[in-house]
Amino acid sequence: GQQLNQSPQSMFIQEGEDVSMNCTSSSIFNTWLWYKQEPGEGPVLLIALYKAGELTSNGRLTAQFGITRKDSFLNISASIPSDVGIYFCARETSGSRLTFGEGTQLTVNP
Amino acid sequence: SQTIHQWPATLVQPVGSPLSLECTVEGTSNPNLYWYRQAAGRGLQLLFYSVGIGQISSEVPQNLSASRPQDRQFILSSKKLLLSDSGFYLCAWSTGQGLGGYTFGSGTRLTVV
Repeated sequence: GQQLNQSPQSMFIQEGEDVSMNCTSSSIFNTWLWYKQEPGEGPVLLIALYKAGELTSNGRLTAQFGITRKDSFLNISASIPSDVGIYFCARETSGSRLTFGEGTQLTVNP
Repeated sequence: SQTIHQWPATLVQPVGSPLSLECTVEGTSNPNLYWYRQAAGRGLQLLFYSVGIGQISSEVPQNLSASRPQDRQFILSSKKLLLSDSGFYLCAWSTGQGLGGYTFGSGTRLTVV
């Protein structure tokens, strides 16, 4: 019940296309976080969501905290080659621990 | 500003050899500290976390141990490495107040041969 199901596992898109990925769980969460990891680096926080229904943007990225508090999506508009990486959703549990989804590997072809 | 340093960046060690990875945080006090392992570029598994000096919680049974000898220093160790210990090890810190997630180090790529 505390696992995060992230989809799709991988995406291969053309530069300029929009991207959408999502994360679901059977449990209710108070926080959704979205991270991006580039090859050989640690994940970097993109967007943090704290309220059900919240819609937050960060440049070309938009994320929403689902009304049911059991899901979240991340959209990337007009993708560019530097968007390549692995995108993770994450949630906080007790003790300020983070649990991560399995990630979405994004490849952008120029 | 806060920074997190992790070293070495890469490490190749023989089976049965010891391991010591170090992580330090600057610009903050009393952080929560974490060690994660990532296999094959997917999925981060929490190994250890610490809310204070000398306080270590282990998430999964394994061949590794962690220590926090100083407030902003977190060390991951092993007495005898196994092949299955290979992976990408990431250190992270947070304020522990549930605000905005973690900041990660740049990771250590460990290959056990």
